[in-house]
Amino acid sequence: QKEVEQNSGPLSVPEGAIASLNCTYSDRGSQSFFWYRQYSGKSPELIMSIYSNGDKEDGRFTAQLNKASQYVSLLIRDSQPSDSATYLCAVNPDNYGQNFVFGPGTRLSVLP
Amino acid sequence: GAVVSQHPSRVICKSGTSVKIECRSLDFQATTMFWYRQFPKKSLMLMATSNEGSKATYEQGVEKDKFLINHASLTLSTLTVTSAHPEDSSFYICSARSGTSGYEQYFGPGTRLTVT
Repeated sequence: QKEVEQNSGPLSVPEGAIASLNCTYSDRGSQSFFWYRQYSGKSPELIMSIYSNGDKEDGRFTAQLNKASQYVSLLIRDSQPSDSATYLCAVNPDNYGQNFVFGPGTRLSVLP
Repeated sequence: GAVVSQHPSRVICKSGTSVKIECRSLDFQATTMFWYRQFPKKSLMLMATSNEGSKATYEQGVEKDKFLINHASLTLSTLTVTSAHPEDSSFYICSARSGTSGYEQYFGPGTRLTVT
């Protein structure tokens, strides 16, 4: 069974710090990876997608992918209280299939 | 770009009635749409995958006769909860994938269903 694991948290960081969110996956053949942010009572919002090993930066967000270690992470620089949310890691097992496998989410709390 | 809408955002209905939820991709054509439900403080649970013009594929344990899905066009999918019961109360979220630009799924804002 394909699995995606995340630390459920809560992960607490002070305002201005770097928040590091981690995700591991079981299917070595997985091809594409996504980070979603979900505020309480709202639906998930796509933050980043990453397909190749290495880093991908978008504003304050950096996604890091290491397929050999089956590990993907999300770094949030200069964390703000508005970043407080649950972050979901999603893995597309293959680029022909259609269904994501979602992790359980990590709850991030940025303290002012 | 990549905006998905859902209607209604919130609905309260009596036990035994049916409720229809609409999911629309507003600025792209969605070859595939997904329906999820989410209980409080839990992760997303995929219910079914629908491709335009074909029958939906339901996940194990999801009753296809209870949760009717129609994907009649490239911009619209509907989920009908038939003969709703209080245990069907949940947050229902759709997502859409264009199929022509990456593999990202874009989520609608969700529909909160309460069955009394």
